[in-house]
Amino acid sequence: GNSVTQMEGPVTLSEEAFLTINCTYTATGYPSLFWYVQYPGEGLQLLLKATKADDKGSNKGFEATYRKETTSFHLEKGSVQVSDSAVYFCALSDPIHSGGSNYKLTFGKGTLLTVNP
Amino acid sequence: EPEVTQTPSHQVTQMGQEVILRCVPISNHLYFYWYRQILGQKVEFLVSFYNNEISEKSEIFDDQFSVERPDGSNFTLKIRSTKLEDSAMYFCASKNLKNNQETQYFGPGTRLLVL
Repeated sequence: GNSVTQMEGPVTLSEEAFLTINCTYTATGYPSLFWYVQYPGEGLQLLLKATKADDKGSNKGFEATYRKETTSFHLEKGSVQVSDSAVYFCALSDPIHSGGSNYKLTFGKGTLLTVNP
Repeated sequence: EPEVTQTPSHQVTQMGQEVILRCVPISNHLYFYWYRQILGQKVEFLVSFYNNEISEKSEIFDDQFSVERPDGSNFTLKIRSTKLEDSAMYFCASKNLKNNQETQYFGPGTRLLVL
């Protein structure tokens, strides 16, 4: 079945450091790829997504490119802030064929990022 | 901005008791989901619900689990007889009808502890 593997962490960085969180996937077909973020005490929020190969998703200074040849969707940010401290989840969409335009998400284990001032 | 809400935020129950977790999806959404995350493990899909029926369920979603949309706004997950291993964070999500690229929006979760 489909699966997502991401760097487990925890990752600890100083403010303004460069961030990479690796994510690779195994899937049949052509899934959409997502990064969700969970800030302390809150739910999962979509950070960015890409729906086809070579698409780049970006939001709040974060970027990730859908690389079909390496089955990867690594998350990057050039200069992290203390407010970026959160758990980051990579996920892919898995179609639910009986449900029309429907899919379920398959998640990685999450990576805890702590940014120190 | 509309958001998915869940109640309660925390629930403690005794093994064998029934629990109902409640969710209010975004109002114009038509697809509804439950996921769970056991501490330290992956977020796992439980069930998808559309047009008043289950579209798909995972192997975790056995006969002890059920979902319901009792009115136009709530979406509930019931666990009939809780087990210790049901302790987890349960997330509700919803999605618009438009197409299969639409985002699933998640609630803040209910942390369930079974003693």
